[in-house]
Amino acid sequence: DAGVIQSPRHEVTEMGQEVTLRCKPISGHDYLFWYRQTMMRGLELLIYFNNNVPIDDSGMPEDRFSAKMPNASFSTLKIQPSEPRDSAVYFCASSLVQGAGETQYFGPGTRLLVL
Amino acid sequence: SQELEQSPQSLIVQEGKNLTINCTSSKTLYGLYWYKQKYGEGLIFLMMLQKGGEEKSHEKITAKLDEKKQQSSLHITASQPSHAGIYLCGAAPNRDDKIIFGKGTRLHILP
Repeated sequence: DAGVIQSPRHEVTEMGQEVTLRCKPISGHDYLFWYRQTMMRGLELLIYFNNNVPIDDSGMPEDRFSAKMPNASFSTLKIQPSEPRDSAVYFCASSLVQGAGETQYFGPGTRLLVL
Repeated sequence: SQELEQSPQSLIVQEGKNLTINCTSSKTLYGLYWYKQKYGEGLIFLMMLQKGGEEKSHEKITAKLDEKKQQSSLHITASQPSHAGIYLCGAAPNRDDKIIFGKGTRLHILP
């Protein structure tokens, strides 16, 4: 199994530009999670999906952030327009079920730098 | 809301020495996860604890959840350079709650 796949691995962009991060979960996993990691705030859950449907987006910082999951094997996290404070590592994770009883498998992350 | 506090924030240990990392919750936990993150990489699952007093081991890493299920410790015996990285604990108060993570403990191993 290839695990959770994320692309790109690194992204450098200028303030105001649109950024799109991509994720392919592990096949058969019904849950997909987007996290953001910074030194100051640690690892934060942004949004998660169940069977392609967004369940909880309370962690999405503001309207500039949006996430979609058009099918079971693909999700995107979009930031438009990007700002320097969005610089962070963005992780995608997937699991069979939700909650504390199930392991989440993480992708390698996308390092985003907004200049 | 639930918070997870990890201590210490960073740790520098001589190779071969033992060490302990702690994770404390403000609320009783349903389950607690330990993950390891190598610098610049994703998170790797280490182990999950659910029962009060439960203890699990994987190679030279042992984790324990206290009886009250509000604190967990991760102990590494005879540390090696391969143990270096960031250790994160994650937990949820109930089975269906989303998991939140601590800010991590940065572990450096000196050769």
